[in-house]
Amino acid sequence: KQEVTQIPAALSVPEGENLVLNCSFTDSAIYNLQWFRQDPGKGLTSLLLIQSSQREQTSGRLNASLDKSSGRSTLYIAASQPGDSATYLCAVQGWEETSGSRLTFGEGTQLTVNP
Amino acid sequence: NAGVTQTPKFQVLKTGQSMTLQCAQDMNHEYMSWYRQDPGMGLRLIHYSVGAGITDQGEVPNGYNVSRSTTEDFPLRLLSAAPSQTSVYFCASSYSGLTYEQYFGPGTRLTVT
Repeated sequence: KQEVTQIPAALSVPEGENLVLNCSFTDSAIYNLQWFRQDPGKGLTSLLLIQSSQREQTSGRLNASLDKSSGRSTLYIAASQPGDSATYLCAVQGWEETSGSRLTFGEGTQLTVNP
Repeated sequence: NAGVTQTPKFQVLKTGQSMTLQCAQDMNHEYMSWYRQDPGMGLRLIHYSVGAGITDQGEVPNGYNVSRSTTEDFPLRLLSAAPSQTSVYFCASSYSGLTYEQYFGPGTRLTVT
């Protein structure tokens, strides 16, 4: 059964700092990996999608990498801003016999960027 | 496009009551799914559908029913609410279930007393 772990669980940084969020998964047989942002009391906003054949994706100040063989992904946020404060969730898309196609989520990293 | 919409945003039920959580998408996505989010357990898949008329169980299906009569709508029914179903429920959709980006709705916060 796929398991996804995110480290650290919480992170507090000063504004302007570059930071890295980590995600690891136990089964490398994935279709893709998706990073989401969740603001308190809100839904999930998709940030980046990396297909299993890709190594990285970039969007603005965000860069996500994927090393499928080692079961790891990182989300790099450049020049962090207070508006980046949120919980960041990593999810891998795979297939399981008992539940078919599904996203398996980590529990998230709660990021606080202090002005 | 409105994307994925969910109603209601908040709901309080008494144990044993039934209700339907609504989900709709206007992106012509074939794949739709329901997740629940609980502290310490992350998001877990309840049911999913790969197209109109086709549904299947996810990781935690007990106590929930779904149907998919149209491409746009995917309602989730709680048959007899229990306190263990207190959670935040999210509906998601994508072009297909395996390789495409998933889009999530804003969620329904359900409390069962």
